[in-house]
Amino acid sequence: DTAVSQTPKYLVTQMGNDKSIKCEQNLGHDTMYWYKQDSKKFLKIMFSYNNKELIINETVPNRFSPKSPDKAHLNLHINSLELGDSAVYFCASSQEIYLGGGQRTSGSLSGANVLTFGAGSRLTVL
Amino acid sequence: DQQVKQNSPSLSVQEGRISILNCDYTNSMFDYFLWYKKYPAEGPTFLISISSIKDKNEDGRFTVFLNKSAKHLSLHIVPSQPGDSAVYFCAAVGSGTYKYIFGTGTRLKVLA
Repeated sequence: DTAVSQTPKYLVTQMGNDKSIKCEQNLGHDTMYWYKQDSKKFLKIMFSYNNKELIINETVPNRFSPKSPDKAHLNLHINSLELGDSAVYFCASSQEIYLGGGQRTSGSLSGANVLTFGAGSRLTVL
Repeated sequence: DQQVKQNSPSLSVQEGRISILNCDYTNSMFDYFLWYKKYPAEGPTFLISISSIKDKNEDGRFTVFLNKSAKHLSLHIVPSQPGDSAVYFCAAVGSGTYKYIFGTGTRLKVLA
């Protein structure tokens, strides 16, 4: 039973189209994220939602719009696709947001702040 | 501005020997660090973590060391096995940011 599932796994589309990638987690986590891995293999945070509230909105073009209908789902909609949008998009979730306090915790924490990733969605824009 | 750096893009190690993967960071606000392993066509999977109150954490064959003064952490795998061949990412997060910042990864190849 997949913990964080993304669909579609592969998406090939033309420039200018609009597309969506969906993500669902069955872990009961409160926080979900979108990461982008580009051709240079950087894993960059794009967005994060905690209990359906947007808490991270990195400098991404406003053609990218995340939507979280409920805690278990975080979708990514991309308008007017460009060649540079080609990448692998990873969805992730964590039980809670990290508030700091490495000082309070044991060496490996309880797992509440570990990110669990989906398998990724490879988007190719032609 | 890359706040988390893995300066070695690749590493080859003989089976049974120790693999040492390194990671440097620049932001002194980071206080929780994680290592992830990634196989092709899969998402990163969590391996081990360490908080800033510790300088070492072990889990089986994996040990992470943290040197706060040098802003450096390392992952030791011993003994290395062919199944450990993957890309390893270090990540860091700090108070008030919520953002997990990832390094660019090191591709480990364990030779049988």
